[in-house]
Formats: sequence, structure tokens, C-alpha cells
Amino acid sequence: GESVGLHLPTLSVQEGDNSIINCAYSNSASDYFIWYKQESGKGPQFIIDIRSNMDKRQGQRVTVLLNKTVKHLSLQIAATQPGDSAVYFCAETANFGNEKLTFGTGTRLTIIP
Amino acid sequence: DGGITQSPKYLFRKEGQNVTLSCEQNLNHDAMYWYRQDPGQGLRLIYYSQIVNDFQKGDIAEGYSVSREKKESFPLTVTSAQKNPTAFYLCASSIEGRNSPLHFGNGTRLTVT
Repeated sequence: GESVGLHLPTLSVQEGDNSIINCAYSNSASDYFIWYKQESGKGPQFIIDIRSNMDKRQGQRVTVLLNKTVKHLSLQIAATQPGDSAVYFCAETANFGNEKLTFGTGTRLTIIP
Repeated sequence: DGGITQSPKYLFRKEGQNVTLSCEQNLNHDAMYWYRQDPGQGLRLIYYSQIVNDFQKGDIAEGYSVSREKKESFPLTVTSAQKNPTAFYLCASSIEGRNSPLHFGNGTRLTVT
């Protein structure tokens, strides 16, 4: 069946370095993608989204890259800070409503001081 | 500040009891959602509502019920029929029902013994 997953369940990065979190999806019809950050005991926080008519989108210290050819999504965080430590997960849907969003299981990002 | 408020943060119940989780939003969003989050799994949709007085079952609606009498409120009842109710429950809302990011509350952790 269709699935959204992550290449790495955990990622440790030195403070100040850049982080790259990956997400693979299997539904070639997916056209809307979202990245969320979830800190322990809290709800997910929206980071950035991208539609399939774009390959790249930038926010504050974050960049999302979409490679539709290989069905791959990545989140780049520049100059990581201790506050970036959290679980990051992606979600996607294929021209349907938000009720059809499929969520990945997440990658835990740990920032090393 | 606008946002989604879930209460209580922690809830303990005995098996066989129904329990209602509160979700209130002041974002003026039309669509609201309930998700369940279990360790190692992506978010799973329980129920959603696109408009007042209307709601639809999600992927795991069995053992749950909802109401949407007001735009701001979308309470979830976990009934005794839910076989494995202990989980972290997340409420979310979005401006529109599609291609708009979900905004989440900080969740309610329900423990049933």
C-alpha cells in the first residue's frame, strides 16, 4: 500500500551545523507535503509546506526540497540550535482533502552542544 | 494569541468509563480533526469535521464519537467500546479542508486502567 516513511529514525548533529531530514513517499500522485516539528509532550508544530508544482521552498532557517522523480522530500535546517531538538515528520496527500493526509513516523533530531 | 486549546493535558480513567476530551480553537478555522498518536506510528485520523453540525469518520473511528455544535469546539468522546484507548490524542484545525496546513493543539494523554 501507499506509505510515507523516513530513511533515518534518529539524527545527531553538532550545534551550528546544518541538518538534513529525509522523507520518502510512495504515492506518485501526492501533490501537497508538510513538515512538522514535535517537541516532547507537545503537539506538532507546522514548519513549512510545499506543493508539487515547486521543487524548493525556503522559510526561516529551513528549506524543503521535493524530488518528484524519486519521490523524496527533505527538510534542511541551517545552523541548528539546541531548540531544534525534536521529532520531525512529514505528511503528504494526493489531491484530496486534509482528511487524507498520511503522516510519517518521524525522525528524532538531537543537537549536540 | 490564536490557537487550539486541548484540555485536560493528562486524563486517567477506569476501563469501562466514557471520557470526553475537549478541543477549542479561536483561529476561525472551518475544518477540525482528531488524531491519535501511538509510539512508533504516524498520526491516525479518528474523526474530522469540515463544517458545523457535520462530521465524518476517519480511519479509526470505532469506539469514538464527536460533535460539532459550534465552529470553535470539537469534543471527542472515547467510549468503553474502544479496545485500546490509552494514547496521546491530538486535535487540529485548518483554514480549509485541503492544501492548508493543520494546526495542532498540545494534546491530551489519556490513560485507561
